[in-house]
Amino acid sequence: EVQLVESGGGLVQPGGSLRISCAASGFSFSTYSMNWVRQAPGKGLEWISWIDSSSSTIYYADSVRGQFTISRDNAKNSLYLEMNRLRAEDTAVYYCARDRGYDFRSGPNDYWGQGTLVIVSS
Amino acid sequence: SYVLTQPPSVSVAPGKTARIPCGGNNIGSKSVHWYQQKPGQAPVLVIDHDSDRPSGIPERFSGSNSGNTATLTISRVEAGDEADYYCQVWDSTSDWVFGGGTKLTVL
Repeated sequence: EVQLVESGGGLVQPGGSLRISCAASGFSFSTYSMNWVRQAPGKGLEWISWIDSSSSTIYYADSVRGQFTISRDNAKNSLYLEMNRLRAEDTAVYYCARDRGYDFRSGPNDYWGQGTLVIVSS
Repeated sequence: SYVLTQPPSVSVAPGKTARIPCGGNNIGSKSVHWYQQKPGQAPVLVIDHDSDRPSGIPERFSGSNSGNTATLTISRVEAGDEADYYCQVWDSTSDWVFGGGTKLTVL
């Protein structure tokens, strides 16, 4: 059974940093590209980053480029998102999602974790 | 940037057919994916590549895409179908884009 379990969310002050993780199991993690998608409270879904299976190609949404860093450790079956200079508008549930596509433009996201809540507030 | 437009809400009686549109400039030339999200839960893929149904998704769910509108159709709607539904496409100007979401209410 495919499982994605996010962790590391919490309350952080504006300007602070946080790293969230996604532990994958039930599939060959090293052969899939992965995404981070976030959802602000009461709002819709927003794609924020994609990484290919070997970490050789990475994409970011304009809203987080230069602020967030996606990475993965295939040996640990884990996906990460390093978030810096956090602002109130970064408050959201952050989901990791497996990408079933053959390249960045294909998709879809066929499995999602339950999400981890990041709250940026003083 | 590329924009996907969905109605905020759609209502349908049980047993009837719900149609949820997703509008975008020449969306018919793109591949559309649809996700269902129930309150407090993660999104679930229900239709990919316009009209393909993933394993485990009931045949009542179908999709179409032409011109400037893609449509998710749910036949014989059940109370358990009540959820938010999001369309998604990739565009060269915006990368991955989601529609604003449509709340399906089963009357």
